[in-house]
Amino acid sequence: GQQLNQSPQSMFIQEGEDVSMNCTSSSIFNTWLWYKQDPGEGPVLLIALYKAGELTSNGRLTAQFGITRKDSFLNISASIPSDVGIYFCAGQRGGATNKLIFGTGTLLAVQP
Amino acid sequence: SQTIHQWPATLVQPVGSPLSLECTVEGTSNPNLYWYRQAAGRGLQLLFYSIGIGQISSEVPQNLSASRPQDRQFILSSKKLLLSDSGFYLCAWSIGQGNGYTFGSGTRLTVV
Repeated sequence: GQQLNQSPQSMFIQEGEDVSMNCTSSSIFNTWLWYKQDPGEGPVLLIALYKAGELTSNGRLTAQFGITRKDSFLNISASIPSDVGIYFCAGQRGGATNKLIFGTGTLLAVQP
Repeated sequence: SQTIHQWPATLVQPVGSPLSLECTVEGTSNPNLYWYRQAAGRGLQLLFYSIGIGQISSEVPQNLSASRPQDRQFILSSKKLLLSDSGFYLCAWSIGQGNGYTFGSGTRLTVV
């Protein structure tokens, strides 16, 4: 099935550093979402974006819905060890099935 | 509030044995339901989705099947497991358009 291009694939950073990851698509989405998955758990929704150009924050997390509606990015400021996990972007076009197309994931490791 | 239950959490099955994974949702009516598989802790592959009782759509050809006998129950099955069926299986639900998914806690299946 289709997947979004997400980069970087992995990041190994020191505690306190800022993190940036992004997601691109060849087609337009109406909604962009960012999820975090802890080891052995299901993904949990972090931020949802509904309008092109929208910038939304959730604590230390900030995400933006690209103007072209084909991309989105997620920033994490002042990383802490519990930020470790896999981050997924997801795009949604709507419709009866409400299907999400997921990115390939970014593995984040934070060294104390 | 809505909750999603998925069981079992882990499962080790021999090749050729049958499989039944169950997912139930509470606190909502007529949700869209989804089964995903995640291999090697990375990408999320959509296997099946359902927009109503008895309505199942398959995303990829495979050795698995899905059923929705009740509004809030979604079952993933196989008659004979293959080694390649090993992975982390996630159930999810959504309601309305433009809303993200809520995932269950997953089942780690190892076929030996």
